[in-house]
Amino acid sequence: NAGVMQNPRHLVRRRGQEARLRCSPVKGHSHVYWYRQLPEEGLKFMVYLQKENIIDESGMPKERFSAEFPKEGPSILRIQQVVRGDSAAYFCASSEGQGLSYEQYFGPGTRLTVT
Amino acid sequence: AQSVTQLGSHVSVSEGALVLLRCNYSSSVPPYLFWYVQYPNQGLQLLLKYTSAATLVKGINGFEAEFKKSETSFHLTKPSAHMSDAAEYFCAVSRHGNKLVFGAGTILRVKS
Repeated sequence: NAGVMQNPRHLVRRRGQEARLRCSPVKGHSHVYWYRQLPEEGLKFMVYLQKENIIDESGMPKERFSAEFPKEGPSILRIQQVVRGDSAAYFCASSEGQGLSYEQYFGPGTRLTVT
Repeated sequence: AQSVTQLGSHVSVSEGALVLLRCNYSSSVPPYLFWYVQYPNQGLQLLLKYTSAATLVKGINGFEAEFKKSETSFHLTKPSAHMSDAAEYFCAVSRHGNKLVFGAGTILRVKS
């Protein structure tokens, strides 16, 4: 069974460019979570999506960041007009359902570097 | 609001020695608590979770953690460290099992 796939694993963008991070959940999982890990910090929740719906985006910056999880295809985290402070590791997790009994499986992350 | 504090950003132990990684939580209601491990350039892997059943929780790779409500703690232990345990460990809390709130992490170094 394939786990959570994220691509690219490493992404370099210049300031002002757009970054698109992709996450393919475990097959059969319809719940996706995005977390950001800044240097020397733990992971911070960004957004929780189910197919075609954003359930909780309380951790998303108000501007430049957006996320989607379409009916078909991977979940996308999009960062417009990147700045140096966006440099971080972005992790995606997926679960089969909502609630404690459903474990979140994490992908290997995308390391974004903004130059 | 929920939060997690991990005491000690770096812990160093000798191979075969006891591993103790500390985690204290702050939550207004009984929380769900987790320990994750992250190896270099990899995603997080669940070690164990507390779901209000037994206060002593056994996880994978010989790790266990004890929930102590009076101390608001959920420390992770392993009787005998192995070189392969060297990694970063994260404690996390959740109320509803979806959004996880993580501590800052503890890097465990195992000396031969």
